[in-house]
Amino acid sequence: DTEVTQTPKHLVMGMTNKKSLKCEQHMGHRAMYWYKQKAKKPPELMFVYSYEKLSINESVPSRFSPECPNSSLLNLHLHALQPEDSALYLCASSSTEGNTEAFFGQGTRLTVV
Amino acid sequence: AQSVTQLGSHVSVSEGALVLLRCNYSSSVPPYLFWYVQYPNQGLQLLLKYTSAATLVKGINGFEAEFKKSETSFHLTKPSAHMSDAAEYFCAVTPGFGNEKLTFGTGTRLTIIP
Repeated sequence: DTEVTQTPKHLVMGMTNKKSLKCEQHMGHRAMYWYKQKAKKPPELMFVYSYEKLSINESVPSRFSPECPNSSLLNLHLHALQPEDSALYLCASSSTEGNTEAFFGQGTRLTVV
Repeated sequence: AQSVTQLGSHVSVSEGALVLLRCNYSSSVPPYLFWYVQYPNQGLQLLLKYTSAATLVKGINGFEAEFKKSETSFHLTKPSAHMSDAAEYFCAVTPGFGNEKLTFGTGTRLTIIP
């Protein structure tokens, strides 16, 4: 199984809502990532978890709250988002042993209204 | 710090023609380089990777890339374009010791002319 599964695929939320994005992988990878991608732009790194601990936070606003409950799951909790947060949110995972590629999920298309 | 520059935000080629997408890197350490493809409203799929083994790397869907240290380049090529190759292509780099700081280029949109 070489898949990273993200749910939901699409999400529309109001600025006062609380929602969560979910990501799951069963490749035994111990590094997991959240990226944000705006239209016609490359993905931008938000967070990195290594062995279930947050290792990189790229100065992301606190309205985005990541969580890694176990080695297979990665969540991104959303609260009080702004319309400019509308984007494609991509989850990825990779091995921490040797230099292998990152595997990406299909993404969650988020629209904040 | 590592970075990659993709020359040409849009490239159009005729079906059956050579595809050449350019990527130059900047790195203070030997880099690990990747090419990813993204189809509309989808995630990223790895085409190929360079990790300091062979300088000519073959990937999926008939793509290949050559690492040229003297030119700090890692250009992506395919001998004969197919309509299904139309997509966004991203070159990416990480430091030599891990994947935590995968940095992408700005992307090149490839259009195939029938």
